[in-house]
Amino acid sequence: GAVVSQHPSWVICKSGTSVKIECRSLDFQATTMFWYRQFPKQSLMLMATSNEGSKATYEQGVEKDKFLINHASLTLSTLTVTSAHPEDSSFYICSVERPSGGHEQYFGPGTRLTVT
Amino acid sequence: DAKTTQPPSMDCAEGRAANLPCNHSTISGNEYVYWYRQIHSQGPQYIIHGLKNNETNEMASLIITEDRKSSTLILPHATLRDTAVYYCIVTEKGGADGLTFGKGTHLIIQP
Repeated sequence: GAVVSQHPSWVICKSGTSVKIECRSLDFQATTMFWYRQFPKQSLMLMATSNEGSKATYEQGVEKDKFLINHASLTLSTLTVTSAHPEDSSFYICSVERPSGGHEQYFGPGTRLTVT
Repeated sequence: DAKTTQPPSMDCAEGRAANLPCNHSTISGNEYVYWYRQIHSQGPQYIIHGLKNNETNEMASLIITEDRKSSTLILPHATLRDTAVYYCIVTEKGGADGLTFGKGTHLIIQP
């Protein structure tokens, strides 16, 4: 069954508005979650690491003031795309690392954002 | 994380074994080989991982060469639903780091 859920699965918004995407870990508590972005015909790119109870860590080139991450509990991380523009249209995917055993990552189903 | 090299695409007939190669010649001693796949418009799915021994689970087998510089993912009886992009990723286990995805191999299962 699903280990990670995301909501919404798709969203269309107007340029200049903000969009919040939720990522929930269903099977285990996660002090760390990851956010990725995937443009058409490209591979996933890590955007940021979400840390429960502390600030997120952003990859080089990712604007922290534009992509706000909140990890308020051990099972929920949110990504808010602020003042969205058409170039932010992408497939946003979160993941959770199993805290023991193989430490493999489980990915959410993704959220497709289209900014018009 | 060590860099990996995979062929961009492969075809395989339905019902046959699909063998996907991956080169990771710069792998370090504490790095594992993980395989994920992404079916179109879905989030990636974990398949299998290993350190140096061959591994098998309900989805696939992983063969790692003795020098650990390359590996092969084997899907024993490929079905149409196995059509996906397969990613070989080398990383430390439990490092709480995000993954670096290469371009992967687009495996197409032919009916």
